[in-house]
Amino acid sequence: DGGITQSPKYLFRKEGQNVTLSCEQNLNHDAMYWYRQDPGQGLRLIYYSQIVNDFQKGDIAEGYSVSREKKESFPLTVTSAQKNPTAFYLCASKGSGVGNEQFFGPGTRLTVL
Amino acid sequence: EDKVVQSPLSLVVHEGDTVTLNCSYEVTNFRSLLWYKQEKKAPTFLFMLTSSGIEKKSGRLSSILDKKELFSILNITATQTGDSAVYLCAVRPVYNAGNMLTFGGGTRLMVKP
Repeated sequence: DGGITQSPKYLFRKEGQNVTLSCEQNLNHDAMYWYRQDPGQGLRLIYYSQIVNDFQKGDIAEGYSVSREKKESFPLTVTSAQKNPTAFYLCASKGSGVGNEQFFGPGTRLTVL
Repeated sequence: EDKVVQSPLSLVVHEGDTVTLNCSYEVTNFRSLLWYKQEKKAPTFLFMLTSSGIEKKSGRLSSILDKKELFSILNITATQTGDSAVYLCAVRPVYNAGNMLTFGGGTRLMVKP
């Protein structure tokens, strides 16, 4: 089945540790996105990538890093520089062409203790 | 800076009621407005609206866009408990190399039996 997967579903880390969230898609989509969602709030864009080996900062990129070495994969690293990392993280991908919409993965809930 | 505001923040209704969710926006060079439903995790796509006055319909859900007044509404008739979710509105401008979306804060709908 085609889709987007994120792992793990739940992640706990100690303060000061870097952590990497996985996002994989087999939809052959060129564009991929990372969003952060805080309780009662909408989605805010962290990073996006339109093509392999290229990515751009979104609205709240500070304290995060990404890579796009393969079309299928867009991992997000939450670094110790991120002041409030506890949140729900959503990955999305989008096919090329007008009207193709972003499809979302199931999300990873990160809790920093 | 693009801005999307959704209202109400939350809503509690009983099964069978009709609800109207609102989304107002400010965006430079508007291209499209999208509605998503988010139950527990991944937002799922509902509608994309690009033209004023043309209603999009899917079962008990419908949506319409007013580009003059810069808002959209999402209607749900004969609500069911399965409609309980957060409904997200997002806009996409025309000149947007990354096909990025700006999301509103969402409306949390709870449908009681």
